Amino acid sequence: DAKTTQPPSMDCAEGRAANLPCNHSTISGNEYVYWYRQIHSQGPQYIIHGLKNNETNEMASLIITEDRKSSTLILPHATLRDTAVYYCIVRAPNAGNMLTFGGGTRLMVKP
Amino acid sequence: DAGVIQSPRHEVTEMGQEVTLRCKPISGHDYLFWYRQTMMRGLELLIYFNNNVPIDDSGMPEDRFSAKMPNASFSTLKIQPSEPRDSAVYFCASSLYSVVPTGELFFGEGSRLTVL
Repeated sequence: DAKTTQPPSMDCAEGRAANLPCNHSTISGNEYVYWYRQIHSQGPQYIIHGLKNNETNEMASLIITEDRKSSTLILPHATLRDTAVYYCIVRAPNAGNMLTFGGGTRLMVKP
Repeated sequence: DAGVIQSPRHEVTEMGQEVTLRCKPISGHDYLFWYRQTMMRGLELLIYFNNNVPIDDSGMPEDRFSAKMPNASFSTLKIQPSEPRDSAVYFCASSLYSVVPTGELFFGEGSRLTVL
């Protein structure tokens, strides 16, 4: 699976959009981009995933660049409860359902 | 659905003792994963099962660790003998295979193990 690079930490003001970047320059054509988050002391939670089109759900939006070498997770109106570690993961469909977690980005939402 | 259920939530034991962690996956899910999380190493995949069969155990640290899935609704991770460096939070997760990837792994709340 392709490796991802994320900033170790970011801050965001409550109510503002949080834009979390992820670089995956070695991504292959059939690899999906997944985002998970882990709130302190809880298990990771699925947020969203995509292949090449932008995706949106009730939690977030995922913007994937045209060359697919990077993506951005957008939390449109961050709340204090969005404070967590956010993981960007790239995985091929034939890799079973396993996910390999990197270091992630620690997002701190401040009042 | 109750989600993935892990027990115990907390375990404190002494070095050399046997530790057994338990997991009940979401009903109907055909994949089960064991992860370990420490400050130093982050989230590591230890082993995963598909239809109760171990598929990849390359993440299991050493022979002291073993995992079983006797049926679709139960799995155990055993450490014997335990050592202080095994102290970590152990997560179990389950998922359902889909031809079109959904990507969703459902994690339990974890078992926090402290080995003194």
